[in-house]
Amino acid sequence: DGGITQSPKYLFRKEGQNVTLSCEQNLNHDAMYWYRQDPGQGLRLIYYSQIVNDFQKGDIAEGYSVSREKKESFPLTVTSAQKNPTAFYLCASRRGIKETQYFGPGTRLLVL
Amino acid sequence: QKEVEQNSGPLSVPEGAIASLNCTYSDRGSQSFFWYRQYSGKSPELIMSIYSNGDKEDGRFTAQLNKASQYVSLLIRDSQPSDSATYLCAVNGRTYKYIFGTGTRLKVLA
Repeated sequence: DGGITQSPKYLFRKEGQNVTLSCEQNLNHDAMYWYRQDPGQGLRLIYYSQIVNDFQKGDIAEGYSVSREKKESFPLTVTSAQKNPTAFYLCASRRGIKETQYFGPGTRLLVL
Repeated sequence: QKEVEQNSGPLSVPEGAIASLNCTYSDRGSQSFFWYRQYSGKSPELIMSIYSNGDKEDGRFTAQLNKASQYVSLLIRDSQPSDSATYLCAVNGRTYKYIFGTGTRLKVLA
């Protein structure tokens, strides 16, 4: 059963805490992405990775970090430097430049 | 000017009517165009992709692309209440980055 999985579905963060969102895909896609979506707003790109061990900042990378040690995995860490982290986080992947981008089910992050 | 612009809506249409959703983009080098549907609280799912000028039909959905005028549209025929969602337009140039519009909220009235 191929696809993109994200965990957890809901995540609660305390003040000053770093949290990590998981994203895994078994579609053999080269490129992976992290987006943030705030209520009533569009998708904003946080980070993306075109190949293993390489990633680039998107439009709103401050307060976030990523790694790409395996083709299948692209975890996102929301650090304590991100002062307003409450949002819906979406992971996506695609095979190549002209290919369609597919989304995982998302993680909703809330601050306690 | 935003890179990809959509009317936020809501666009309200009666059941059975044609819903017309529009999107304009600023980068003339854009090569790939996508429409996603997003239900409240869910992730976006692909409806249509289009790469060349003209129309592309898939069931009740038709995507239209006009690169000279820099717009792409989505027509939904025989609209159903289950089509009520936010529709996101996405544009891709020569890089791995997608640019998304903020979405148009569609309400199909039973």
